[in-house]
Amino acid sequence: KNQVEQSPQSLIILEGKNCTLQCNYTVSPFSNLRWYKQDTGRGPVSLTIMTFSENTKSNGRYTATLDADTKQSSLHITASQLSDSASYICVVSASNYGQNFVFGPGTRLSVLP
Amino acid sequence: GAGVSQSPRYKVAKRGQDVALRCDPISGHVSLFWYQQALGQGPEFLTYFQNEAQLDKSGLPSDRFFAERPEGSVSTLKIQRTQQEDSAVYLCASSFYLDIYSNQPQHFGDGTRLSIL
Repeated sequence: KNQVEQSPQSLIILEGKNCTLQCNYTVSPFSNLRWYKQDTGRGPVSLTIMTFSENTKSNGRYTATLDADTKQSSLHITASQLSDSASYICVVSASNYGQNFVFGPGTRLSVLP
Repeated sequence: GAGVSQSPRYKVAKRGQDVALRCDPISGHVSLFWYQQALGQGPEFLTYFQNEAQLDKSGLPSDRFFAERPEGSVSTLKIQRTQQEDSAVYLCASSFYLDIYSNQPQHFGDGTRLSIL
């Protein structure tokens, strides 16, 4: 069964600190992997999209990495800000599902002053 | 507006009632998705449209769920004879075009929070 797991389930850090969120997937065959940020009560917003040939992609203070061999991805946030408090969702596209995407449960990040 | 618009933002219904949720995608976007998101969970795929064609409805949980996009723009998700387990946030997303080789992002609306009493 195609699955996406994320860890930790939740994380609390102080403003200005860095953190790394993890994503493991069993989706096969693999098309691409996406990270989304979802603020409370809002829809997800795309941060990065990576294909199997890309092993890193940055978007400002967000840097995503992908190891297609081990089926792992990480999202690194540098110099965290209070506005980074949100859920971060890893999404993997399965080629044979066509338009279907497999969403992870998300990591809930809280940045404290 | 420039983004995906969903209405209503909140809907409360009694068990057994029918509800209709609306999605206005970004103008010109070909692909439209519906997702169901339970509290504290990631979104789960319900159905996908390419223009007016419903290409994948494998995620619809039962025949009480029905979605349409008759003119290839606005879409409606209808739930008949609602049950308490239907309570969730229903998200709509659109993209200009999406196939298995496309890396275009999906643009999400802010969802409709449905509560069934």
